[in-house]
Amino acid sequence: NAGVTQTPKFRILKIGQSMTLQCAQDMNHNYMYWYRQDPGMGLKLIYYSVGAGITDKGEVPNGYNVSRSTTEDFPLRLELAAPSQTSVYFCASSQPRGGASTDTQYFGPGTRLTVL
Amino acid sequence: TQLLEQSPQFLSIQEGENLTVYCNSSSVFSSLQWYRQEPGEGPVLLVTVVTGGEVKKLKRLTFQFGDARKDSSLHITAAQPGDTGLYLCAGAGGNTPLVFGKGTRLSVIA
Repeated sequence: NAGVTQTPKFRILKIGQSMTLQCAQDMNHNYMYWYRQDPGMGLKLIYYSVGAGITDKGEVPNGYNVSRSTTEDFPLRLELAAPSQTSVYFCASSQPRGGASTDTQYFGPGTRLTVL
Repeated sequence: TQLLEQSPQFLSIQEGENLTVYCNSSSVFSSLQWYRQEPGEGPVLLVTVVTGGEVKKLKRLTFQFGDARKDSSLHITAAQPGDTGLYLCAGAGGNTPLVFGKGTRLSVIA
């Protein structure tokens, strides 16, 4: 199994450009997450999804959008890139028991984004 | 908002030394997880603790969940260069998403 895959690995954007960060998992997990990790900081939750067609905002959703049309895929969209969005983005998935998001999260390798 | 404070932020030690890192909060968590992240990779789960006072061991790593389920510690015995990485704690509160601390960056020098 590939687990959680993310593309691209690196990207440089100019201010105002848009892009989509791709995330896919082959573990049939219902829950998927997008985090950003800034230098010296932990992971901050951007958006998450508890199943196809259901998404919800995390701690830092402004400037981002997501969709979940299938169980496998959870793309993250940046519409108007800003320097403040320079970060490493991680996608993760989990298969919770009992409806709670407390089980193991499996992370992808990350996408390093720079906005100039 | 639930917050997790990790200390120390940075730790550099010699191979063979022992160390303890801490994860503290004013909030009660239903469970707490520890992840290790190596450069250029995503975090990988080490352990989940659920019961107040619970102690779990993973080879040279010992994890403890506080009696009140507000804090946790990670103790490494005889650290090795392979232990180098960013250690993140994450707390779960029922049906809410995990809350991550900022991490402790550990460097073990041979």
